[in-house]
Amino acid sequence: RKEVEQDPGPFNVPEGATVAFNCTYSNSASQSFFWYRQDCRKEPKLLMSVYSSGNEDGRFTAQLNRASQYISLLIRDSKLSDSATYLCVVIMVDSSYKLIFGSGTRLLVRP
Amino acid sequence: DTEVTQTPKHLVMGMTNKKSLKCEQHMGHRAMYWYKQKAKKPPELMFVYSYEKLSINESVPSRFSPECPNSSLLNLHLHALQPEDSALYLCASSHVGAGGGNQPQHFGDGTRLSIL
Repeated sequence: RKEVEQDPGPFNVPEGATVAFNCTYSNSASQSFFWYRQDCRKEPKLLMSVYSSGNEDGRFTAQLNRASQYISLLIRDSKLSDSATYLCVVIMVDSSYKLIFGSGTRLLVRP
Repeated sequence: DTEVTQTPKHLVMGMTNKKSLKCEQHMGHRAMYWYKQKAKKPPELMFVYSYEKLSINESVPSRFSPECPNSSLLNLHLHALQPEDSALYLCASSHVGAGGGNQPQHFGDGTRLSIL
């Protein structure tokens, strides 16, 4: 079983739609969680950290459920520029420098 | 605009060449990283420097040699690479949290390396 699992997609949604991605992690010793986005042939960019209480940044909302070991990302009012691959990232307590990446979920927002 | 700058952006080299990839950050981060990314795959960690000392080597072949001359610079020296080493090489940096890493990492835009 992979340490971090994501649905690869692609999710194909119209502009203005709300879309949600989930990510599950296998190691309960995971301590830090992030969402990154990566455009084709570009570097990963930090989208947001994910906190137990949930957090929001504009149109983006991230949630963490430690009991069920999953993380979610909700994007409201999708824009064409949101088209990218979204990477779920976890850090383990015993390997705090190492980002564990999911394989990414591809989002396509169409006009 | 990325705050971690990498040079060169593209590099083509033969298997007998020696070249170096460079990375620079001025965010005051004391942890710096090298990753390798193949197409349609997530980045794979290669090396971690914390306070200019190598703290993690993910069993990387010796044809890749990292160097951290100071807190802002990170190099990756390449020698006798193989065609399967062709990939995007990403540098990242982060603060060092209490007890070590555990901080979000900020990536440079990478060097796209092709080995002939």
